[in-house]
Amino acid sequence: AQTVTQSQPEMSVQEAETVTLSCTYDTSESDYYLFWYKQPPSRQMILVIRQEAYKQQNATENRFSVNFQKAAKSFSLKISDSQLGDAAMYFCAYRSNNNAGNMLTFGGGTRLMVKP
Amino acid sequence: EAQVTQNPRYLITVTGKKLTVTCSQNMNHEYMSWYRQDPGLGLRQIYYSMNVEVTDKGDVPEGYKVSRKEKRNFPLILESPSPNQTSLYFCASSPHGPVAGDEQFFGPGTRLTVL
Repeated sequence: AQTVTQSQPEMSVQEAETVTLSCTYDTSESDYYLFWYKQPPSRQMILVIRQEAYKQQNATENRFSVNFQKAAKSFSLKISDSQLGDAAMYFCAYRSNNNAGNMLTFGGGTRLMVKP
Repeated sequence: EAQVTQNPRYLITVTGKKLTVTCSQNMNHEYMSWYRQDPGLGLRQIYYSMNVEVTDKGDVPEGYKVSRKEKRNFPLILESPSPNQTSLYFCASSPHGPVAGDEQFFGPGTRLTVL
């Protein structure tokens, strides 16, 4: 079974600075997707960015980018120019292309605090 | 507005009293799923449904039931709730089933406390 690990329960960053959230995963498969979800205090789950394992180019969405290292099974999220609205729980998630259940496997989450 | 709705948003109940959490989506999505979120464990899948009348177990199905009689609705049923089912529950939907790149759209969550 796949597992996803987020080793940083909490992180903090100064407003306008850059922060990187770590995620590692364990799988024997080669065809999968990785996601970062944001959960603000409203509890809504919001997709931040996704990466297909077959794509070597790291995904980017405005101030959010990933560093995908397939051999190392690492998928970190970089947030540039941090804003107060970035404060939230961040979840890394994995989904296999071979999983008929379409199940997302989540890490335990990292709480990001942004200091003004 | 395209959305996934859940009701109730908050519920406090007692052990053994049957309850249902409703989930509805207005996007004509085929796939729907239930997750529970617990501190340090992230979200874990309870049940999923590929389409009407097609449901299957996720990672943590014990103590839960679901049904999918209509495409838009996917209720979660706790026949005899226990305190270890105290959790935050999310319903999610996506356009298709085994298409890994599909974004899953999440409902707002239901905070359940079983005393």
